Amino acid sequence: QVQLQESGPGLVKPSETLSLTCTVSGDSVSTYYWSWIRQPPGKGLEWIGYIHHSGSSNYNPSLKSRVTISVDTSKNQFSLNLSSVTAADTAVYYCARYAPSAKYLDYWGQGTLVTVSS
Amino acid sequence: QSALAQPASVSGSPGQSITISCTGTSSDVGGYNYVSWYQQHPGKAPKVMIYDVNNRPSGVSSRFSGSKSGNTASLTISGLQAEDEADYYCSSYTSSRTRVFGGGTKLTVL
Repeated sequence: QVQLQESGPGLVKPSETLSLTCTVSGDSVSTYYWSWIRQPPGKGLEWIGYIHHSGSSNYNPSLKSRVTISVDTSKNQFSLNLSSVTAADTAVYYCARYAPSAKYLDYWGQGTLVTVSS
Repeated sequence: QSALAQPASVSGSPGQSITISCTGTSSDVGGYNYVSWYQQHPGKAPKVMIYDVNNRPSGVSSRFSGSKSGNTASLTISGLQAEDEADYYCSSYTSSRTRVFGGGTKLTVL
C-alpha cells in the first residue's frame, strides 16, 4: 500500500522560505510523478506543481517564481520550497502521487497545516 | 491559469440524483479527456472518484459517473446517500502540461 507523509515546520515567518518534505513508503519516487497541492483554510484546492525523478518538473504559473520541487531518491522523498512567503501562503499542504497515466492523483498524504505569521 | 468554474453548492435528498458542472476552456477541459473528480470530507485528504472524464477507480461506487461536453465536464451522483455529503473538486490537465482545480462544490444531502 502506497503511503505519503508530509513533514516540516508548522509555523513560518513572513518573507522566509517554507520547506516541506514528503516521505513515500510502498513505492519508489523513481517511478511516476509526484505533486504538491495546497488548501487555504476554508477554501479550495490549489495545484502547486509536480516533479519526476528525471528532474522534469512543472509549476503553477502563479507560484512559479517562488516554488522549487525536488526529489531525493536515496531517501525516497520529495520536497517543496516556497520562498518569500506571506499570510496568503497559510494553508494545508498535501503531497500526492500521480497515477501511471500522470493525469490524476491516486494517493495523497494526510496534509500538514503551515501558518505564516510573525 | 484560472480555476475551473464550479457551482458553490448543490443539494439533494437521499435517493435522488445530482449533477455538478465544471467549466473550463479549450486549453484545459475542452482540449483533453483528462478531467478528474475528487471527494473531500471535512478534515480529510481528497479522494479520486472519477478519472479521464468517465472512469471509476477500483472501489468507487457505480453511483458516481462522469461526462464531458465541450468545455464543461460533469459529475453525476445517483441514489444519493448521507455519506456522499462532502466537497467535490474537478481537475484538468492543461495545454501548458500543468494541472488546474475547480473552485469546489459543497454537496448537502437533505
